[in-house]
Amino acid sequence: GQNIDQPTEMTATEGAIVQINCTYQTSGFNGLFWYQQHAGEAPTFLSYNVLDGLEEKGRFSSFLSRSKGYSYLLLKELQMKDSASYLCAVPGNTGKLIFGQGTTLQVKP
Amino acid sequence: DAGVIQSPRHEVTEMGQEVTLRCKPISGHDYLFWYRQTMMRGLELLIYFNNNVPIDDSGMPEDRFSAKMPNASFSTLKIQPSEPRDSAVYFCASSVGLARQETQYFGPGTRLLVL
Repeated sequence: GQNIDQPTEMTATEGAIVQINCTYQTSGFNGLFWYQQHAGEAPTFLSYNVLDGLEEKGRFSSFLSRSKGYSYLLLKELQMKDSASYLCAVPGNTGKLIFGQGTTLQVKP
Repeated sequence: DAGVIQSPRHEVTEMGQEVTLRCKPISGHDYLFWYRQTMMRGLELLIYFNNNVPIDDSGMPEDRFSAKMPNASFSTLKIQPSEPRDSAVYFCASSVGLARQETQYFGPGTRLLVL
């Protein structure tokens, strides 16, 4: 089966850097997604990693280590608007996405 | 493109009533997904369709839930009879392909409250 673990909550300061970790267990691996969800809104796609290493996309970067079953999302130069939940997700055996519980990030001034 | 469209955006009903949620996927997307999100259980996939055919409904809680996709531009999720524990946000999402590579685009969700 699949299992995904993320911290429930994190707090960081505006302008700082924060790393949100995700560990997963899957019977097969077909990539890992990160989604952002602001309160009261729908999840929106942030990144997709299928190979090991770091992928940078502006202020956001996502890292994957397949051998360790580990990923992280790195947010630089934090802004107040980055306060949201960040969901880690992996495709299951039939291709459907399995989501973690999400990490709620609060950015403080 | 208008994105994934869901209606209603909010629904308040009484226990025992029938509830129908509606979704219009992004044009050209072959996959449609219905999710439920609660604080306790997070975001859960209920069912997904490929080219209007249900592929995996293993997440559908029980017989009270049913979903249909009569054509490529419309899907419904029905709960009959509804119960207070069904209160949640229901999201519809669509994608060009399966999750292995393709991003899923979510609708704004329907916030359901069953009293």
